[in-house]
Amino acid sequence: GQQVMQIPQYQHVQEGEDFTTYCNSSTTLSNIQWYKQRPGGHPVFLIQLVKSGEVKKQKRLTFQFGEAKKNSSLHITATQTTDVGTYFCAGPIRGGADGLTFGKGTHLIIQP
Amino acid sequence: SQTIHQWPATLVQPVGSPLSLECTVEGTSNPNLYWYRQAAGRGLQLLFYSVGIGQISSEVPQNLSASRPQDRQFILSSKKLLLSDSGFYLCAWDEQGGWSEAFFGQGTRLTVV
Repeated sequence: GQQVMQIPQYQHVQEGEDFTTYCNSSTTLSNIQWYKQRPGGHPVFLIQLVKSGEVKKQKRLTFQFGEAKKNSSLHITATQTTDVGTYFCAGPIRGGADGLTFGKGTHLIIQP
Repeated sequence: SQTIHQWPATLVQPVGSPLSLECTVEGTSNPNLYWYRQAAGRGLQLLFYSVGIGQISSEVPQNLSASRPQDRQFILSSKKLLLSDSGFYLCAWDEQGGWSEAFFGQGTRLTVV
């Protein structure tokens, strides 16, 4: 079945360092979405990428969608303690009618 | 604006007992509804989804079932809980399947003892 793979599973950084998580799909995606889940919380939507090669920025966060629409990345510049949490990428199941399939997430741990 | 309510927030149930988790959405009509399970420190596993009243699709075989008795109500049930049913259960909704943003409820942390 369709899979969305995400690496790394865990990432420890010092506060102020950069962070990147990578997402790869076994199939071409019509769109890819990113979510953030704070410890003890629920996933919250961050962004959706639709176009091949698309790059979007939200303050210190930069999201990229690959040219082949099979991979994506999230880069955080100069991490802050508020960035702690798990970052998930998600792509449509079977073209989208059945919702999203999520990667296993990258847990971002920040050491002050 | 749209809101999603999920309850209870936490639940401790003995093995073999029944389960009923409820989720309701306000402020939208005919949403797609989903139940996900998240094991500790793990990803989100899609359990059930529904595109309309009485329409339920299951992604994985399991000890659970789902029902959608009303347009904006989604219920997750079990007749007899297993230890392996422990986890964090999340209800979610969206408007356009995998093409639109998903909104999650606060989640229910279920511990089967």
